Amino acid sequence: QKEVEQNSGPLSVPEGAIASLNCTYSDRVSQSFFWYRQYSGKSPELIMSIYSNGDKEDGRFTAQLNKASQYVSLLIRDSQPSDSATYLCAVNLRSNDYKLSFGAGTTVTVRA
Amino acid sequence: GAGVSQSPSNKVTEKGKDVELRCDPISGHTALYWYRQSLGQGLEFLIYFQGNSAPDKSGLPSDRFSAERTGGSVSTLTIQRTQQEDSAVYLCASSPGGSGRLQETQYFGPGTRLLVL
Repeated sequence: QKEVEQNSGPLSVPEGAIASLNCTYSDRVSQSFFWYRQYSGKSPELIMSIYSNGDKEDGRFTAQLNKASQYVSLLIRDSQPSDSATYLCAVNLRSNDYKLSFGAGTTVTVRA
Repeated sequence: GAGVSQSPSNKVTEKGKDVELRCDPISGHTALYWYRQSLGQGLEFLIYFQGNSAPDKSGLPSDRFSAERTGGSVSTLTIQRTQQEDSAVYLCASSPGGSGRLQETQYFGPGTRLLVL
């Protein structure tokens, strides 16, 4: 079992719709969770971090964390063509350690 | 302020040659990471430096790969006797380190695209 798993996609959504991305992780003691966006040919860019169960909203992005079920999700509301990118889920699997484990990424395409 | 910088941005080399990739972290960041990303793949962890502690080398794929960090700042990733399967984008990231959750957020450099012919 991979430490961090994501649906590879591609996920295609029409402009204005909600894009929903899911990520599961293997280690129950994980404490920190991140979503990075990576445009083609570019480096990953942090868009959200979440540490507590529940929802965290930032503009059109909402991260949801459920530690009991070991999943974290990202919702993109009112999707725009500029949201077309690969979204990487990253998890700090162990406390007292800054090393992150990354999922393989979900590619999102927003159709105009 | 300035972000993470990496050089060169692109490197083409012949199989069997050695290459050195450089990373300048964000000023004041104590933690530095190297990742490798092959075409269409996720990030593969290579090595992690935290302050003056011994580096975590658990992700290095072979003994041809090594890295050092001088003076707690600039890092160099060296690949000896390059092979075609080493072709990838090599990404460096840094984080503030220290205590507190915000200290672990990683910021990435633009990467070095390595092509081994």
